[in-house]
Amino acid sequence: SQKIEQNSEALNIQEGKTATLTCNYTNYSPAYLQWYRQDPGRGPVFLLLIRENEKEKRKERLKVTFDTTLKQSLFHITASQPADSATYLCALVTRDTGRRALTFGSGTRLQVQP
Amino acid sequence: DGGITQSPKYLFRKEGQNVTLSCEQNLNHDAMYWYRQDPGQGLRLIYYSQIVNDFQKGDIAEGYSVSREKKESFPLTVTSAQKNPTAFYLCASSTGGGSVDTQYFGPGTRLTVL
Repeated sequence: SQKIEQNSEALNIQEGKTATLTCNYTNYSPAYLQWYRQDPGRGPVFLLLIRENEKEKRKERLKVTFDTTLKQSLFHITASQPADSATYLCALVTRDTGRRALTFGSGTRLQVQP
Repeated sequence: DGGITQSPKYLFRKEGQNVTLSCEQNLNHDAMYWYRQDPGQGLRLIYYSQIVNDFQKGDIAEGYSVSREKKESFPLTVTSAQKNPTAFYLCASSTGGGSVDTQYFGPGTRLTVL
């Protein structure tokens, strides 16, 4: 069956460190993968998109990698700040079904301690 | 201000009643989406629409209905046939046009069935 897996346990790190979040998928052939941030009680906000033929994308303190062999994307926040505390969701669009919609993982909650 | 709005923010319904959630966007986007989010879980796709007067079922369409009579509007009706309707409902839009790009989310409606 198709799955998108993100670590359900919260990630707690110290301010200034690099946070690394993982998104694994099985039985998908993603055309591209996106990362979103969601704060409690609010809608997700788009952060980054990476295509299947790209290895890495950066935006300010954010970096995303995409390994289609490992079927994994890593999301890094460098020099993390307490304001980065939120839930981070990965989402992909698959080529398999032709469905023009995102499929989301369950998200990983990040807590940055001051 | 361009954006996507949902109303109401909180909605209470008695069992057996239908209820309609509003979603409006002024981003001139072709595509619109409805998701459901349960506590500690990711977003699950209910319905999506690539263009006016057309929509497709997502992964959990049973007990829900939609219409897309105007480009700006994509209301979701939660019918009495939906067995467990209490959840956080999110509407989103994107430019569409055959590809799935960045999705812009509304603030969400929290529905509680009493």
